[in-house]
Amino acid sequence: EAQVTQNPRYLITVTGKKLTVTCSQNMNHEYMSWYRQDPGLGLRQIYYSMNVEVTDKGDVPEGYKVSRKEKRNFPLILESPSPNQTSLYFCASSLRGRGYTFGSGTRLTVV
Amino acid sequence: AQKVTQAQTEISVVEKEDVTLDCVYETRDTTYYLFWYKQPPSGELVFLIRRNSFDEQNEISGRYSWNFQKSTSSFNFTITASQVVDSAVYFCALSESDSGGYQKVTFGIGTKLQVIP
Repeated sequence: EAQVTQNPRYLITVTGKKLTVTCSQNMNHEYMSWYRQDPGLGLRQIYYSMNVEVTDKGDVPEGYKVSRKEKRNFPLILESPSPNQTSLYFCASSLRGRGYTFGSGTRLTVV
Repeated sequence: AQKVTQAQTEISVVEKEDVTLDCVYETRDTTYYLFWYKQPPSGELVFLIRRNSFDEQNEISGRYSWNFQKSTSSFNFTITASQVVDSAVYFCALSESDSGGYQKVTFGIGTKLQVIP
């Protein structure tokens, strides 16, 4: 089944403890992207990647890192999480110009 | 900078009524894509439609239809004979695409549609 898989689905962590949210797609898509969804703000792009080793900042990259060492994987790294990074995170992938396929989301709470 | 405006934050309709969700966008590019996504209460995001900037034909898919008008920079979404299962948050999105494959996607804040039985 064609899909984008994010893990974990839910995560509660403490301020400053490094964490990684994994994202993997099995559709051989070139593009991958991370979004965060907050009430009243819609979805905001954190980082995106056009292909392996090619990444760029979205609208809200501060406090996040990404890497694209393989085409299928695009992990999101929070080196030192803070409470303002409490949010619902989505990973997505697509072919160029096509609609995104989204993962199921990761609900992160930083206390 | 590109921008997507969904002025209707919440809409309530009675089942079987028609409803139109508005989307207005801003971009300096001549080549771009527009999208609609649905987010039901379960939380997943579901792709509904993609339209490129060179194709202004309206599209109909069952009870769903989309009206793309470049002259007014709008890409409105109409649900005919709404059903309770249509209750969701709907997002409009804009993607700029250039020859280098650059793809930056901007979403609107979403319109929450509630269909009352």
